Amino acid sequence: DGGITQSPKYLFRKEGQNVTLSCEQNLNHDAMYWYRQDPGQGLRLIYYSQIVNDFQKGDIAEGYSVSREKKESFPLTVTSAQKNPTAFYLCASSALTSGAYNEQFFGPGTRLTVL
Amino acid sequence: AQSVAQPEDQVNVAEGNPLTVKCTYSVSGNPYLFWYVQYPNRGLQFLLKYITGDNLVKGSYGFEAEFNKSQTSFHLKKPSALVSDSALYFCAVRDIYSSASKIIFGSGTRLSIRP
Repeated sequence: DGGITQSPKYLFRKEGQNVTLSCEQNLNHDAMYWYRQDPGQGLRLIYYSQIVNDFQKGDIAEGYSVSREKKESFPLTVTSAQKNPTAFYLCASSALTSGAYNEQFFGPGTRLTVL
Repeated sequence: AQSVAQPEDQVNVAEGNPLTVKCTYSVSGNPYLFWYVQYPNRGLQFLLKYITGDNLVKGSYGFEAEFNKSQTSFHLKKPSALVSDSALYFCAVRDIYSSASKIIFGSGTRLSIRP
């Protein structure tokens, strides 16, 4: 059963703590993405990666960090520097095919709440 | 700058009636456009995309979208709405300045189908 998994589904964090959100895909996709979703604001891109050991900042990267040590995995760390981390976080992946414009496939999301 | 706009925060339709969810875009060059749907507390699901070819694109769950270059629009349509179509719908455009399959999302339109 191919797809993208995110864990945990719900996460609670105390202020000042770092927390890592997991994202795994078995679609053999080269590109992976992290988005943040807030009510009424749509999706905003945090980081993305096109290849192992390489990643680029998106529109709202401050206070977040990522790694891409394996093709299947793209964990996101929300650091204590992120001033308003309570949000719904979505991971996505897509194939990178020369000349094609491929849709992104999304995981089920992680809802992070800072207490 | 590239962007998509969804002018309606909410669309209300009676079951069995046709529905339209509006999207307009602003891009340089040829647009590559997508529609996604999000059910509560879930990730986004791909519905359809326009890359080139016929202006009427058919997608999942009976949805279709009409590309109109002169009006820079890509409205989502369905001939007969179902209560189960109630969800949050996002229009998106590919970011042509990115080498990855980055896409830019609209702010979303909440579709409510009443029985």
